Amino acid sequence: QQQVKQSPQSLIVQKGGISIINCAYENTAFDYFPWYQQFPGKGPALLIAIRPDVSEKKEGRFTISFNKSAKQFSLHIMDSQPGDSATYFCAASKAGANNLFFGTGTRLTVIP
Amino acid sequence: DTAVSQTPKYLVTQMGNDKSIKCEQNLGHDTMYWYKQDSKKFLKIMFSYNNKELIINETVPNRFSPKSPDKAHLNLHINSLELGDSAVYFCASSPDSYNSPLHFGNGTRLTVT
Repeated sequence: QQQVKQSPQSLIVQKGGISIINCAYENTAFDYFPWYQQFPGKGPALLIAIRPDVSEKKEGRFTISFNKSAKQFSLHIMDSQPGDSATYFCAASKAGANNLFFGTGTRLTVIP
Repeated sequence: DTAVSQTPKYLVTQMGNDKSIKCEQNLGHDTMYWYKQDSKKFLKIMFSYNNKELIINETVPNRFSPKSPDKAHLNLHINSLELGDSAVYFCASSPDSYNSPLHFGNGTRLTVT
């Protein structure tokens, strides 16, 4: 059973556009929601993370929006660049635990 | 100065063989993990060790056996390899086992023929 559902599976965005990736979860015990970025041939790397006590977190061009009542969170990439082309994974874990449940990934392609 | 390094990068072997993947981290982290990424890129945790002690052991065939000789190393031994074991295996580490960022290695692509 997929604990975290992620969409879309793939996304093509023009350079300068906004990329939006959505995730949803069911387990209300989840308390930590990171996003990881993976380039081909590399391991995933932490991009940004949020906890449910805030509704938004911004780091540079990357923003997480969190809707606790809807049990949804999303990643927004502003001014998308070709260098952002990668696979993005949302994830979730319970408080005090590091057993991350990953989404199925979104392959983002930013075209010049 | 690679933070999490795993060897080998590629592993091609036949069904029924036994193989090992090694992982070392030089970040001084207390917790290490093995994740499996299948052909559809789905990432799933297999094991987690904290200070050499097993803390997470997901539903994994007992043909897979992790070993942590010290907190900087976590190796994965696989017995009687099967076709379905073909995947990319990632080692990762984190400062502790409480919602802290994972630092992944670059993976070992295992192909079982």
